[in-house]
Amino acid sequence: EVQLVESGGGLEQPGGSLRLSCAASGFTFNIYAINWVRHAPGRGLEWVSGISSSGATKYYADSVKGRFTISRDNSRDTVYLQLNSLRAEDTAVYFCARDPGALPVAHFDYWGQGTLVTVSS
Amino acid sequence: EIVLTQSPGTLSLSPGERATLSCRASQSVSYNYLAWYQHKLGQAPRVLIYRASDRATGIPDRFSGSGSGTDFTLTISRLEPEDFAVYYCQQYGELPRTFGQGTKVEI
Repeated sequence: EVQLVESGGGLEQPGGSLRLSCAASGFTFNIYAINWVRHAPGRGLEWVSGISSSGATKYYADSVKGRFTISRDNSRDTVYLQLNSLRAEDTAVYFCARDPGALPVAHFDYWGQGTLVTVSS
Repeated sequence: EIVLTQSPGTLSLSPGERATLSCRASQSVSYNYLAWYQHKLGQAPRVLIYRASDRATGIPDRFSGSGSGTDFTLTISRLEPEDFAVYYCQQYGELPRTFGQGTKVEI
């Protein structure tokens, strides 16, 4: 069974940092791209970042470019999202979502349950 | 980027009724690379339809997708109690991938 489990969310002050993790199981991790998608209160889903199966290709939404960094460790079947210079508008549930292929360019075929990030002083 | 506009914002229906949800793109979606997702609060979203009309694994046949170019539709032929949720369309014909704002299907 495909599983994606997010962790690392919490309460952080504006300007602060957090690192989210997405631990995968139930599939061959190193042949699939992985993404982060967020859901802010009262808003729709927003794709945040994606990383290819090898880690060589990374994409970011304009809203987080220069502040967030995606990475992966294929030996640990885990993807990370480093969140720096946090803003109130980054408050959201962050989901980890899998692409059906090696590049982060398609739809999302499996999702995790999400981890809540709250940015507030 | 491609902007997706979903309508209506909220659809109030009863179990057994038919639901028709619309998703309109600001420009043509390449290869009809359009997906639909169901999302219930507190749960993981799940893909229902990809490439406009292909049903994802395990999705009941009461869910169907249609459309091409800029206009796409998700139809739920007979609503079951578990179908009341928020539905999002998403395009992946062009980067960045974008979502619509969602349609809430409520009782």
